[in-house]
Amino acid sequence: EAQVTQNPRYLITVTGKKLTVTCSQNMNHEYMSWYRQDPGLGLRQIYYSMNVEVTDKGDVPEGYKVSRKEKRNFPLILESPSPNQTSLYFCASSSPGQDTEAFFGQGTRLTVV
Amino acid sequence: DQQVKQNSPSLSVQEGRISILNCDYTNSMFDYFLWYKKYPAEGPTFLISISSIKDKNEDGRFTVFLNKSAKHLSLHIVPSQPGDSAVYFCAASRNSGYALNFGKGTSLLVTP
Repeated sequence: EAQVTQNPRYLITVTGKKLTVTCSQNMNHEYMSWYRQDPGLGLRQIYYSMNVEVTDKGDVPEGYKVSRKEKRNFPLILESPSPNQTSLYFCASSSPGQDTEAFFGQGTRLTVV
Repeated sequence: DQQVKQNSPSLSVQEGRISILNCDYTNSMFDYFLWYKKYPAEGPTFLISISSIKDKNEDGRFTVFLNKSAKHLSLHIVPSQPGDSAVYFCAASRNSGYALNFGKGTSLLVTP
């Protein structure tokens, strides 16, 4: 089954404690991306990756890091989480070209206290 | 600065009627537009898309219209069903699917 898998689904952590949210896709997609969803703000872009070792900042990259060492994985790293990073995070993957869609993971609900 | 705008946070429609969701964009370089549907506690799921070379794309009950001169697109759902109740996000890309820019979403409620 084609899917994007994020882990964990839910996470409560404390300010400053480094964490990683994993994202894996089994569709051999070149493009992967991270978004955060906040009330009244919709989905905002954090980071993108066009392929292995190629990443680009989105609209809200501050406080986040990513890496793309393998095509299938695109982890999101919060080196020192803060309460304003409490949000719902989504990973997505897609292939280049038109008439393609981005597939989204189920989301990770992160709370930073 | 929001490049994709959905100015109606919510919309309520009676079952069987047409739902029209609107989206405006500011970046003339966008060449690909998509609509996503999202239920609570789930990731967004793809609904329908349109490339900038077309002005209409239809898939069953869903039709997307693109007016490039007005930088406007709309999603029509006919007939609307209660199961269509969800948040709908409009998205746009300037590189054929890379780096999607999303609107803030419109919450659609279809009442029986």
